[in-house]
This record gives sequence, structure tokens and C-alpha cells, in this order.
Amino acid sequence: GAGVSQSPSNKVTEKGKDVELRCDPISGHTALYWYRQRLGQGLEFLIYFQGNSAPDKSGLPSDRFSAERTGESVSTLTIQRTQQEDSAVYLCASSSIVTSGFTDTQYFGPGTRLTVL
Amino acid sequence: KNQVEQSPQSLIILEGKNCTLQCNYTVSPFSNLRWYKQDTGRGPVSLTIMTFSENTKSNGRYTATLDADTKQSSLHITASQLSDSASYICVVSRGGGSQGNLIFGKGTKLSVKP
Repeated sequence: GAGVSQSPSNKVTEKGKDVELRCDPISGHTALYWYRQRLGQGLEFLIYFQGNSAPDKSGLPSDRFSAERTGESVSTLTIQRTQQEDSAVYLCASSSIVTSGFTDTQYFGPGTRLTVL
Repeated sequence: KNQVEQSPQSLIILEGKNCTLQCNYTVSPFSNLRWYKQDTGRGPVSLTIMTFSENTKSNGRYTATLDADTKQSSLHITASQLSDSASYICVVSRGGGSQGNLIFGKGTKLSVKP
């Protein structure tokens, strides 16, 4: 497809379990972002990948959260020992090579709705 | 503290009318400001991106303005349509080299009624 895809679209898990969320960016996009959107709240930045550079992990809320990306392909966001406060929509976005002035347009996926019981 | 505040929280207008959404920010250093449209259950879609030197940018019926001195932006929607019903999110990007430093507002929920 032409857009960013995410899977699964919905995930219900029990507290304490690990979950893995997947993001397929637009082909050729070197930058990839993960965000979290809690109900009624704005998006929170989690992590950013740009090419082969070290990822910007400054938004990860705890060491239970981690993400990987190999090259310019698929990324996975892993949440270990899930807690109820992890319930949110997790959105992935990708963008093409960043131009000077940092005006890259981000293209968002539909998100994964995570519910932790 | 780096914050993006949007107003109003929600807005109901009649089809065909114009409206203006507001965004105030205290983000520093400033790199650019973006407006996104987010339909219910969908990811945000970029409407405009403005850098420090730009004070207005249009995308069809959407016109965004930026006053970097007062740290305010507005999104004006002309001749609203039912399909404009969505949340509109203001996002400010911090400078300093990290592309991950995007500060999101909570959005304005717009409902366009027939």
C-alpha cells in the first residue's frame, strides 16, 4: 500500500503481559516516529528513528518501553509488563529525508488501540 | 515549560460558515509549527507547516497564520463542509537538532452541522 500501516489495529492484553506493535512506513521514508495518544489527550512523542543514526529515545516513559527498526524498514514498539496506564492509541508516522529547516511532512498510520485490563 | 495550548476545546458551526481555531505556544527554541487534521479513529493528516519566517500558508480552504513574536497561530477554515468535522491539532517543533521534539496540543474538536 501507499500509506503507513500498523498492526494490530486493536490489542487487548492483561496487565503484566508483554505486547509488540508493528509499523510499516512508507517505502523510502528514512524517518519514523512513534507516538502515544491517551483518551482525550494530545499526542505524546515516544521515539524517533532517522536512517542509521542513533534513535532519539527521549520520549519513552519508562524502561518497559523499547523500539527497534532495521534500516529504513519495519519498526516494532515493545511494551513489557504492561500496566493499565499504558492503555492508549499508539501511532506511527514516517517522513522522507529531512530538508534543511526541518519541514518534513509526516504521514501517520491508523494507530493501534491498546487496552490493558 | 514547553507547551502548546489550543482554543476552543470544541466548536460547533453550521455548514458553509467560516471559523478560526487558535494555538498559543511556549516552545523554545522554535523550529516550525504544523497543523494537522485528525478524523475520528484515524491518524493525523498534515495540513500546513510553517517556519519562523512564514506568517501565512494556505491549503485549499485552510489558511494558517503564524506570529512568531507573540507565539500565536491560527487556522482559518473557509466555507466549512461536513467533512471538515474532525480534531485539529497544533504541533510545534523544537529546534536544536532533534527531530523528535514535537510538542502537540490537545486539539480542537470541530463539528460541522448541516
